[in-house]
Amino acid sequence: GENVGLHLPTLSVQEGDNSIINCAYSNSASDYFIWYKQESGKGPQFIIDIRSNMDKRQGQRVTVLLNKTVKHLSLQIAATQPGDSAVYFCAENRVAGTASKLTFGTGTRLQVTL
Amino acid sequence: NAGVMQNPRHLVRRRGQEARLRCSPMKGHSHVYWYRQLPEEGLKFMVYLQKENIIDESGMPKERFSAEFPKEGPSILRIQQVVRGDSAAYFCASSPGTGFYEQYFGPGTRLTVT
Repeated sequence: GENVGLHLPTLSVQEGDNSIINCAYSNSASDYFIWYKQESGKGPQFIIDIRSNMDKRQGQRVTVLLNKTVKHLSLQIAATQPGDSAVYFCAENRVAGTASKLTFGTGTRLQVTL
Repeated sequence: NAGVMQNPRHLVRRRGQEARLRCSPMKGHSHVYWYRQLPEEGLKFMVYLQKENIIDESGMPKERFSAEFPKEGPSILRIQQVVRGDSAAYFCASSPGTGFYEQYFGPGTRLTVT
């Protein structure tokens, strides 16, 4: 069936380096993508989103890239800080019609080392 | 502006008892979503509701689970005759509408069935 998955379950990055978290999706009908950050014991926190008519979007220290040709999504975090340590999820949404549920990937744990 | 509120934060139930999980969406949001998360896994969609209407319940188990979002008051996720496999974190999210809107998540309710 359709799924959203991640390449790496755990990513270790040194403080100050850039982080890249990848996500593959298989549902070509998806037209809205969101990255969430989840710290231990908390709910997912919105980081950044991107629509399917875009291929790049930048926020504060974060950039999301979307490659629809290969159905690939990535989150880049610049100058990674200890506070960035968390599990990161990509989620897809099919906006067309009345359905508005998010389909989440399995998550990547980002560990920031000093 | 208060975020999405969920209570209780932790709930312990014995097998066979009922669990009631409450969610108050953000002010001005009329769309509520429930997700379930097992340890070390992504969130799985359960149900999408608007005031007094269930829009999409494709992720709800056929038995023992029900959800409502009354005209007044919080949304309720009800699990009857709980079993150990129901132990999980249950997250509620809300949005102002369908379409290209991010979903804001609450802190979750952690249900433990003993």
